[in-house]
Amino acid sequence: AQTVTQSQPEMSVQEAETVTLSCTYDTSESDYYLFWYKQPPSRQMILVIRQEAYKQQNATENRFSVNFQKAAKSFSLKISDSQLGDAAMYFCAYRSAHRGATNKLIFGTGTLLAVQP
Amino acid sequence: DTAVSQTPKYLVTQMGNDKSIKCEQNLGHDTMYWYKQDSKKFLKIMFSYNNKELIINETVPNRFSPKSPDKAHLNLHINSLELGDSAVYFCASTPMATLTDTQYFGPGTRLTVL
Repeated sequence: AQTVTQSQPEMSVQEAETVTLSCTYDTSESDYYLFWYKQPPSRQMILVIRQEAYKQQNATENRFSVNFQKAAKSFSLKISDSQLGDAAMYFCAYRSAHRGATNKLIFGTGTLLAVQP
Repeated sequence: DTAVSQTPKYLVTQMGNDKSIKCEQNLGHDTMYWYKQDSKKFLKIMFSYNNKELIINETVPNRFSPKSPDKAHLNLHINSLELGDSAVYFCASTPMATLTDTQYFGPGTRLTVL
């Protein structure tokens, strides 16, 4: 079974600085998708970024980028120029791309990010 | 326009009661999900329906019964509520049961069982 691990329960960053959130996963599959979701205090789950495992190029979305290391099964999220609105719980998630697999997301335990003004 | 909506947003009830949470999506998606987020913020899949057909049932007690009257709706009925059922329940949807599309989440329903 696949598992997702986020080893940092809490992180803090100064406004305008850069922070990296860690995520590792365990799978025997070769094809899959990885996601970072953001959950602000409003509780809404918001997709931040996604990565297809077959792509070597790291995904980027404006100030958000990932460092995808397939061999190491690592998928970290870098937030540049942190803003107060980035304060939230961040979840790493895995989804199989295997034929016949279901579309369920497997989540890590989350990292609570605080942004200091 | 709300993409994935859930009602109610908050639900407080007594142990032993039966309650329902409703989910609707106006995205034209074929596949819908229920996830549970516990008090430690851990999120886990409960059910998934594709075109009204159950495709995932993750060892959830049979007190929980999902119902999909049509592909735009997936409701969650819970019988004989227990304290441990207190959690936030999220509905999500995706265009079809392929493996390429992002899931869109509803705002969540916070259920408190007293």
